[in-house]
Amino acid sequence: TQLLEQSPQFLSIQEGENLTVYCNSSSVFSSLQWYRQEPGEGPVLLVTVVTGGEVKKLKRLTFQFGDARKDSSLHITAAQPGDTGLYLCAGAGDDYKLSFGAGTTVTVRA
Amino acid sequence: NAGVTQTPKFQVLKTGQSMTLQCAQDMNHEYMSWYRQDPGMGLRLIHYSVGAGITDQGEVPNGYNVSRSTTEDFPLRLLSAAPSQTSVYFCASSASGNSNQPQHFGDGTRLSIL
Repeated sequence: TQLLEQSPQFLSIQEGENLTVYCNSSSVFSSLQWYRQEPGEGPVLLVTVVTGGEVKKLKRLTFQFGDARKDSSLHITAAQPGDTGLYLCAGAGDDYKLSFGAGTTVTVRA
Repeated sequence: NAGVTQTPKFQVLKTGQSMTLQCAQDMNHEYMSWYRQDPGMGLRLIHYSVGAGITDQGEVPNGYNVSRSTTEDFPLRLLSAAPSQTSVYFCASSASGNSNQPQHFGDGTRLSIL
């Protein structure tokens, strides 16, 4: 059973379109991290959100942490082929462990 | 900077064989961990360590052993390989055991058990 549910599982869009990836849980997390993973490589951290309701922007990427700290979203504006990859969310609890979602595979077609 | 280095990158084993996956980091990080990544299941924690000499089990520890004799190294041992252990294995490190810390991942070891 996945503690964090990501949706959709797959997303294929045209260059220039917008997209949103969701990360939901019934558990409260002290923080939530978003990673991007490219084929043959390990995940790379994009952002950490800590405060309920927090919004962080990283160029064309906007990350939001839910008010109750149970969910998060990643929005990409005007997607580019370089945004293609597997996007993973990971929730941090009170222990030394991160719980990862299954990931959303994003493909941006030129 | 090397960051987190995993070896080997690829390995094929026969059922019942044992092997050790190596992981080394050069960032003086206290916290290290091992994950396996399977299609549709994300990353699952196998074992972790909050410092040299200290290890603990994660979500899927059965069939794996770890040790942490130095800050830099955190090897993962498969005792008797089984086909269910076919997976991509990632080692990660972070500055401390605080789970808010970013994880730095290696590039993975792709392991096939026949």
